[in-house]
Amino acid sequence: GENVEQHPSTLSVQEGDSAVIKCTYSDSASNYFPWYKQELGKGPQLIIDIRSNVGEKKDQRIAVTLNKTAKHFSLHITETQPEDSAVYFCAASEAGTALIFGKGTTLSVSS
Amino acid sequence: DAGITQSPRYKITETGRQVTLMCHQTWSHSYMFWYRQDLGHGLRLIYYSAAADITDKGEVPDGYVVSRSKTENFPLTLESATRSQTSVYFCASSEVPLQRGNRGADTQYFGPGTRLTVL
Repeated sequence: GENVEQHPSTLSVQEGDSAVIKCTYSDSASNYFPWYKQELGKGPQLIIDIRSNVGEKKDQRIAVTLNKTAKHFSLHITETQPEDSAVYFCAASEAGTALIFGKGTTLSVSS
Repeated sequence: DAGITQSPRYKITETGRQVTLMCHQTWSHSYMFWYRQDLGHGLRLIYYSAAADITDKGEVPDGYVVSRSKTENFPLTLESATRSQTSVYFCASSEVPLQRGNRGADTQYFGPGTRLTVL
């Protein structure tokens, strides 16, 4: 089955810096890769996703890139703000199966 | 617009007791999921359901039972709770048309979670 590795487990940046979180997946049949943000005491919320027919997707300060050959995808957050502090999860799935999540990255943005 | 709700939000029970966690969604989404979240493990899938009366096991199904008699509800039952089932439980739902070649999990919307403690 699918296995998703996520790095780093913790990330500390200064406000205004960029943050990058990387994930690798094992199943080449996976074709959907979402990123979720989880704030303290809340459920995960989708922030951006990408499908296997696209290499990059942007939404304001966040972007996701996908390298199907290397089987890895990354989340990029530019101009970080204190409100970006949260736990971020990547996930992967193949049509007909459920999402498999990485173990999460705790991002801390200090002002 | 209620979305997806879970109840109770907090529950303390004792080893051996039966516990049912409720999940309700107002979107008429086809798919519903139960995850548990533990430190060091991230989110792990317990069970999921593609439609009413259709359920399937996830990564960690042992000790749990689910049912889906109505599209909007997906209760999770711990038949005889154990301390290892102390966790935060999240329900999620997604709308994926059952079209040829597009049967998979898509954008999932999560509930607020239930924190369960088994003493």
